[in-house]
Amino acid sequence: AQSVTQLDSQVPVFEEAPVELRCNYSSSVSVYLFWYVQYPNQGLQLLLKYLSGSTLVKGINGFEAEFNKSQTSFHLRKPSVHISDTAEYFCAVSLTKYIFGTGTRLKVLA
Amino acid sequence: SAVISQKPSRDICQRGTSLTIQCQVDSQVTMMFWYRQQPGQSLTLIATANQGSEATYESGFVIDKFPISRPNLTFSTLTVSNMSPEDSSIYLCSVQGSTGELFFGEGSRLTVL
Repeated sequence: AQSVTQLDSQVPVFEEAPVELRCNYSSSVSVYLFWYVQYPNQGLQLLLKYLSGSTLVKGINGFEAEFNKSQTSFHLRKPSVHISDTAEYFCAVSLTKYIFGTGTRLKVLA
Repeated sequence: SAVISQKPSRDICQRGTSLTIQCQVDSQVTMMFWYRQQPGQSLTLIATANQGSEATYESGFVIDKFPISRPNLTFSTLTVSNMSPEDSSIYLCSVQGSTGELFFGEGSRLTVL
């Protein structure tokens, strides 16, 4: 069975500072990994995905994530955040079905 | 990519009533997914809707409570029946892209009083 753990429920960070949102997964087989963002009063939008190949994946809005098989992690990073990045971020794994993490609320402070 | 429209975007309903949520996709898709997102929580898959067959429900969800229709390859409805305050959630319609990513509608925010 697969599972996803997002260790931080909330992450406050000042504007223009770097941020890392953590995601760990558990699976006995190879899975696909995703990060989604949910802005207030909207549905989820794909940020980036890892299917295979290069372990560093670049996504939209300056975000990137690194797949680390030995640590079963897929942490999301951005070198400099903006106020507009304030949102809920969900990590997900997929094999036959999607499993979503519980989300991390990123709040960017002025 | 896929563009998904959901209606209504939000509603306030009385206990014991039913509400039908509509989902329209701008392209033909085999499977459509319905998710529930309870306040402050993650997404839980309710069911998968295939055109021409009955929906497949996940553990904890039953057809009597969440009947689904899938009349064609671009449209689906989810009904939340005999609602209680515990049904207050965001309901999301979704389809899957060719490389496994999900595309979501903007959600239907339901409050049951």
